[in-house]
Amino acid sequence: GIQVEQSPPDLILQEGANSTLRCNFSDSVNNLQWFHQNPWGQLINLFYIPSGTKQNGRLSATTVATERYSLLYISSSQTTDSGVYFCAGMRWEYGGSQGNLIFGKGTKLSVKP
Amino acid sequence: GAVVSQHPSWVICKSGTSVKIECRSLDFQATTMFWYRQFPKQSLMLMATSNEGSKATYEQGVEKDKFLINHASLTLSTLTVTSAHPEDSSFYICSARDLIGGWETQYFGPGTRLLVL
Repeated sequence: GIQVEQSPPDLILQEGANSTLRCNFSDSVNNLQWFHQNPWGQLINLFYIPSGTKQNGRLSATTVATERYSLLYISSSQTTDSGVYFCAGMRWEYGGSQGNLIFGKGTKLSVKP
Repeated sequence: GAVVSQHPSWVICKSGTSVKIECRSLDFQATTMFWYRQFPKQSLMLMATSNEGSKATYEQGVEKDKFLINHASLTLSTLTVTSAHPEDSSFYICSARDLIGGWETQYFGPGTRLLVL
């Protein structure tokens, strides 16, 4: 199966700062998603982005499928952005199973006031 | 947006008892549901995939007799941890994939924290 690597593992920011989180994949993927896990454990879908660029408020994501990486940008960070950010990818093989999301180890973000 | 619920949100039980966790897709139908396990400060590890009306597919190293999964309808899947032991203590998260939306619409429940004494 595919391997998913995220960097950095930990990130501490001052409120208002910008940041970039990276996700590398060992193979091409059909599905790529970014999630935010809040302190209570709830996973929140941020982006479905197998390729291209998307933006949602202060968050945006870019996936360069040919180079097997994705970036998550957080601008003007707020304390409520704290938590763990996961990327997950899936590679669906014809004739195989439906495919499962494989998660990276996450980036733990702490935004200080 | 789509909502996935889990019940209970947390449970404490004695060693040797069985615990059932329910996962429901509230406003969509899910052909496929997934069960994950997450240890503190670690990533989500897929335990099994279940399709409505068929047997679950377990990941390597996951005991199917230990973790019983039933996907009885397009909106309900259950995970039963049989004869639970302290090492089964963990955060269990279910996920459901939207029947209509396809690959990109996989939503996660709030999780169930299990503590086995």
